[in-house]
Amino acid sequence: NAGVTQTPKFRVLKTGQSMTLLCAQDMNHEYMYWYRQDPGMGLRLIHYSVGEGTTAKGEVPDGYNVSRLKKQNFLLGLESAAPSQTSVYFCASSFPLAGVIYEQYFGPGTRLTVT
Amino acid sequence: GENVEQHPSTLSVQEGDSAVIKCTYSDSASNYFPWYKQELGKRPQLIIDIRSNVGEKKDQRIAVTLNKTAKHFSLHITETQPEDSAVYFCAAKATGKLIFGQGTTLQVKP
Repeated sequence: NAGVTQTPKFRVLKTGQSMTLLCAQDMNHEYMYWYRQDPGMGLRLIHYSVGEGTTAKGEVPDGYNVSRLKKQNFLLGLESAAPSQTSVYFCASSFPLAGVIYEQYFGPGTRLTVT
Repeated sequence: GENVEQHPSTLSVQEGDSAVIKCTYSDSASNYFPWYKQELGKRPQLIIDIRSNVGEKKDQRIAVTLNKTAKHFSLHITETQPEDSAVYFCAAKATGKLIFGQGTTLQVKP
């Protein structure tokens, strides 16, 4: 199993450009998440999905959109990139057990720089 | 809203000493509390977790304690080793998601 994979690993964008980050998991997990990680800020949840075709906003959703058309994929879009979106982006997935356990498996991360 | 506070933000110990990291949470409905370790340039990985019906859990040199009344939980690492140096995150379960603390950078000096 590949686990959770992210594409691309690195990207440099100019202000105003758009891009899509792809997250894929082969563990048949129901739940998927997008986080951003900035120094001293921990892991902040951008958007998440509790199942195919569903999405919800996290702590910092502004400037991002997501789609979950297939259970194994979760896409994060930036329509008009801003320097404030320079960050490391992590995708994660989880399979709730008895509605309690939420162990999350993380992808390797995408380092995005917006100039 | 849902919030998790983590302290300290940085912690430096001598090899062989113990390290303690503390977290408080706001949502009294939270019932699952994991701890993640993130080495430099790597992804976060689960190291230990605890459910709300348990007060303490141990796994070799790592232990986690939970005080539901006070809404705080702690990570204890004994006999620290240089390879324990990393960023540690606590988290608390909310509906469909986890809320993470800000992270603690642990440095173990040889």
